[in-house]
Amino acid sequence: GAGVSQSPSNKVTEKGKDVELRCDPISGHTALYWYRQRLGQGLEFLIYFQGNSAPDKSGLPSDRFSAERTGESVSTLTIQRTQQEDSAVYLCASSLVARAQYFGAGTRLSVL
Amino acid sequence: TQLLEQSPQFLSIQEGENLTVYCNSSSVFSSLQWYRQEPGEGPVLLVTVVTGGEVKKLKRLTFQFGDARKDSSLHITAAQTGDTGLYLCAGAGSSASKIIFGSGTRLSIRP
Repeated sequence: GAGVSQSPSNKVTEKGKDVELRCDPISGHTALYWYRQRLGQGLEFLIYFQGNSAPDKSGLPSDRFSAERTGESVSTLTIQRTQQEDSAVYLCASSLVARAQYFGAGTRLSVL
Repeated sequence: TQLLEQSPQFLSIQEGENLTVYCNSSSVFSSLQWYRQEPGEGPVLLVTVVTGGEVKKLKRLTFQFGDARKDSSLHITAAQTGDTGLYLCAGAGSSASKIIFGSGTRLSIRP
């Protein structure tokens, strides 16, 4: 596609439910990143994929968070047993090189 | 731990004025990017600087990378209301594994 696509754009869920967030990167971009952005704050690194492997998972805040990438394309970020503190905008970015990331519009997650 | 500090956190100025935003770290980066983010959207890349001392211009925006590649500045001349947004700097190390983002400068230009 022309740009990074994320779905859903908004997700409201109840505390304790699992959610899946999807990212379709720009075709041909080998690197894919997930970030979390809380209201009024900067970006918090979550995980990085190079191809289908994730050499750096250091940013995942707890074992409730996991991510996978298949076919060097689509990536899914899963949050299990959601908590209210998980409420944030989750941003995905893809790049050919680390110097230039292209971001999607994000998924706004609200945990009630 | 690599950290990028941005200052000021908030800036509100009148249209037509000049401003400078700073991005500082104690770590050396192989490259540094500046992004602008508007409400409800993802950050959009403005520029990448790679060489120590490098200066890049994008219309009314001037970006500079420090000689030691630890800091950067963004200068806007004759600010316009369309410049309003969250400005983020991001540093890349020698590998592509992690990009460190600053906490951002929220800029508001008053008409």
